[in-house]
Amino acid sequence: SYVLTQPPSVSVAPGKTARITCGGNNIGSKSVHWYQQKPGQAPVLVIYYDSDRPSGIPERFSGSNSGNTATLTISRVEAGDEADYYCQVWDSSSDSQHVVFGGGTKLTVL
Amino acid sequence: EVQLVESGGGLVKPGGSLRLSCAASGFTFSSYSMNWVRQAPGKGLEWVSSISSSSSYIYYADSVKGRFTISRDNAKNSLYLQMNSLRAEDTAVYYCARDVGYYDFFPWGQGTLVTVSS
Repeated sequence: SYVLTQPPSVSVAPGKTARITCGGNNIGSKSVHWYQQKPGQAPVLVIYYDSDRPSGIPERFSGSNSGNTATLTISRVEAGDEADYYCQVWDSSSDSQHVVFGGGTKLTVL
Repeated sequence: EVQLVESGGGLVKPGGSLRLSCAASGFTFSSYSMNWVRQAPGKGLEWVSSISSSSSYIYYADSVKGRFTISRDNAKNSLYLQMNSLRAEDTAVYYCARDVGYYDFFPWGQGTLVTVSS
């Protein structure tokens, strides 16, 4: 089955840039979506189709996807960005059709 | 406003059954695929099941296949998850989520907690 690998944690100072990676075999050939989840809340879609932003999501959030790594980039990080972030793909291979989530990355704003 | 509201969670003994519901409003429910995603306490997100708009396509995670059944009633704008043979490892908050394109989920409901314990 397809596996998505995220770093458990990323720390960044306010105003700096945070990069959260999501590794998977040839993930560049898939559409990657990213979710933000704050404590006690439901997840929120922040990036879809690798790099598109839903309405209401700040331009500071961007995404890229190539080769074996997708990346969520948060520019000019704010305290309110502290949350768990999950990448997600649809895996439609010969033997399975599943939604796959990465293990999640806890973003800490120092 | 697009809204999803889950219900039906609670405490159930191992081997028991539970039926979750998700009431949708603010959009044309019959036009969208829907999903269930769960999150065990302190853990990450785990996809459970997907159902297409007309129920023609249904998919399950291996961990629930044969025990859980997803269904929908477009006339009632409702999504369901019938959970049988429940195990302790099924303990989680269960979210319903709308598929807005290619398995990108927006919005999510607030979740309903299922606890499997004797």
